[in-house]
Amino acid sequence: QKEVEQNSGPLSVPEGAIASLNCTYSDRGSQSFFWYRQYSGKSPELIMFIYSNGDKEDGRFTAQLNKASQYVSLLIRDSQPSDSATYLCAVIGYGGSQGNLIFGKGTKLSVKP
Amino acid sequence: DAGVTQSPTHLIKTRGQQVTLRCSPISGHKSVSWYQQVLGQGPQFIFQYYEKEERGRGNFPDRFSARQFPNYSSELNVNALLLGDSALYLCASSLAGVNSYEQYFGPGTRLTVT
Repeated sequence: QKEVEQNSGPLSVPEGAIASLNCTYSDRGSQSFFWYRQYSGKSPELIMFIYSNGDKEDGRFTAQLNKASQYVSLLIRDSQPSDSATYLCAVIGYGGSQGNLIFGKGTKLSVKP
Repeated sequence: DAGVTQSPTHLIKTRGQQVTLRCSPISGHKSVSWYQQVLGQGPQFIFQYYEKEERGRGNFPDRFSARQFPNYSSELNVNALLLGDSALYLCASSLAGVNSYEQYFGPGTRLTVT
């Protein structure tokens, strides 16, 4: 059974700080990794995806992937109160359906002004 | 361009009833996936359809069924509703081409079963 684990939080950081969100996965064959942001009462919004080992940067967001250690992380620089949301990590397993995203339970981030 | 659309937004049903949820993907996207999200959990995969064919199915009972139409829109049907079916039902669309696995969610349909 493929699993994705996240610390449920809440993770609280002051405005302007770096928020670090972590995710581990059980299937060593997983190839594609995604971070979604979900505001309370809304649907998930895709904010980052990463397919290769290393870092991928997009604005204030950096996704980091380490396949050997089976973890993926999301860094949010200069955190803003508007970043307060639940962040969902998701993976697609190797050989699985392209539609079969497996999600963690999410980490709730709170950015304090 | 319009994103993924879903209807209805909210729905209240009684145990034992049947419900149909609808989804239209992003223009140009040929794959639609359905997910169920209960409070405090991440979304759980129900179905994927690509080019009108079922490409994947999650661990859900046969009361759940779906189909995709020639215009790539999709319907999710749930029969004999149980209280535990109360959840946010999400539709996601993707290109599903080579090296293209990103999925984009619609606003969801919140189903309440009483």
